[in-house]
Amino acid sequence: GAVVSQHPSWVICKSGTSVKIECRSLDFQATTMFWYRQFPKQSLMLMATSNEGSKATYEQGVEKDKFLINHASLTLSTLTVTSAHPEDSSFYICSAEGAGNRGEAFFGQGTRLTVV
Amino acid sequence: SQQGEEDPQALSIQEGENATMNCSYKTSINNLQWYRQNSGRGLVHLILIRSNEREKHSGRLRVTLDTSKKSSSLLITASRAADTASYFCATTDSWGKLQFGAGTQVVVTP
Repeated sequence: GAVVSQHPSWVICKSGTSVKIECRSLDFQATTMFWYRQFPKQSLMLMATSNEGSKATYEQGVEKDKFLINHASLTLSTLTVTSAHPEDSSFYICSAEGAGNRGEAFFGQGTRLTVV
Repeated sequence: SQQGEEDPQALSIQEGENATMNCSYKTSINNLQWYRQNSGRGLVHLILIRSNEREKHSGRLRVTLDTSKKSSSLLITASRAADTASYFCATTDSWGKLQFGAGTQVVVTP
């Protein structure tokens, strides 16, 4: 299947700093990328949907100024958690979908963010 | 909000037994997918079943879909310790948006 690489796998940062997470589709062009967060022992919650070259669409309750999403190319989307706080500590996962595999999303390995 | 609800929430079985979990959803879907997640890791896609399909097999996995009841089931036959993981169903609507269920934690003991 298609490969999606997410980087970093884990990050620890201080409160007030910003953290950038990258999501890359390695062997296909991702027309759409999705960002999820997952709290311990809970399911994934969709945060936002991004299409290449356009602004991301955020789910209700997700602050777009806090979670900046950029999908500048067909193989890269980034999620920046700005002014991170301990409550932002979570597992963030991206997924990517290409024009050739509509409806089937391929997931990155996730990023464990811990804000101290 | 969560689209899918899964039951049971947790399942403990012995190696060799079958594991069955169910997923119900609320709105019309294009397809339904099942994923596996090992603790602290990303999701692994298991199987996709389209709305016009009723049953699909992949190795030891069997998925059914009943659109009239808005439900799906995942059966893992002859389970192994390595099948220990959380299993999620996810539905895709006509916009391509994935909505995940709460997941079923499966523990397979040797």
